[in-house]
Amino acid sequence: ILNVEQSPQSLHVQEGDSTNFTCSFPSSNFYALHWYRWETAKSPEALFVMTLNGDEKKKGRISATLNTKEGYSYLYIKGSQPEDSATYLCAFTSGYQKVTFGIGTKLQVIP
Amino acid sequence: ETGVTQTPRHLVMGMTNKKSLKCEQHLGHNAMYWYKQSAKKPLELMFVYSLEERVENNSVPSRFSPECPNSSHLFLHLHTLQPEDSALYLCASSQGLEDGYTFGSGTRLTVV
Repeated sequence: ILNVEQSPQSLHVQEGDSTNFTCSFPSSNFYALHWYRWETAKSPEALFVMTLNGDEKKKGRISATLNTKEGYSYLYIKGSQPEDSATYLCAFTSGYQKVTFGIGTKLQVIP
Repeated sequence: ETGVTQTPRHLVMGMTNKKSLKCEQHLGHNAMYWYKQSAKKPLELMFVYSLEERVENNSVPSRFSPECPNSSHLFLHLHTLQPEDSALYLCASSQGLEDGYTFGSGTRLTVV
């Protein structure tokens, strides 16, 4: 069983604050790391696909970094807005093409 | 709308009922998946179909029976479920794991 951990499990931030959370995954047999955003009553939506150590991806105010040697990825949100409220999932894909999801970080942005 | 459509959105069924969940994608993806999400647990992979062939079955009880008649449609047939099977069932499709999944909105299943 592959261990993919996300922390924190939930957090509340004020509108305008910047925040970040972590996805930890096995540091061996890495293939890809995905981040998804899952708003209540909607489908999980792909944010980033990361495949190379040192990758940095950015989409608007959201960015992510990847360290495959130590087995972690950070997701950053700059100037959080209420519409950023969602659960953020990471998914680790191994070289055996097995995908393991984390439990997610539930973000609530308070206006 | 993501391009992956699931019906129904909500389903309540008794333990002796037979029902089916439907998933449809017209994205041209060659793989389709069923995932289960129970409260406070990560998404759990149930079944994978690639080019209409089942390539993975993660020790799912036989009361769940998948069917993939073509590359655009995926079903999950349910029979004599247990209350602990109550969960959100998500369908997804992909063109390759490096591209990630496109998910449907899910079916919220309650077994009474």
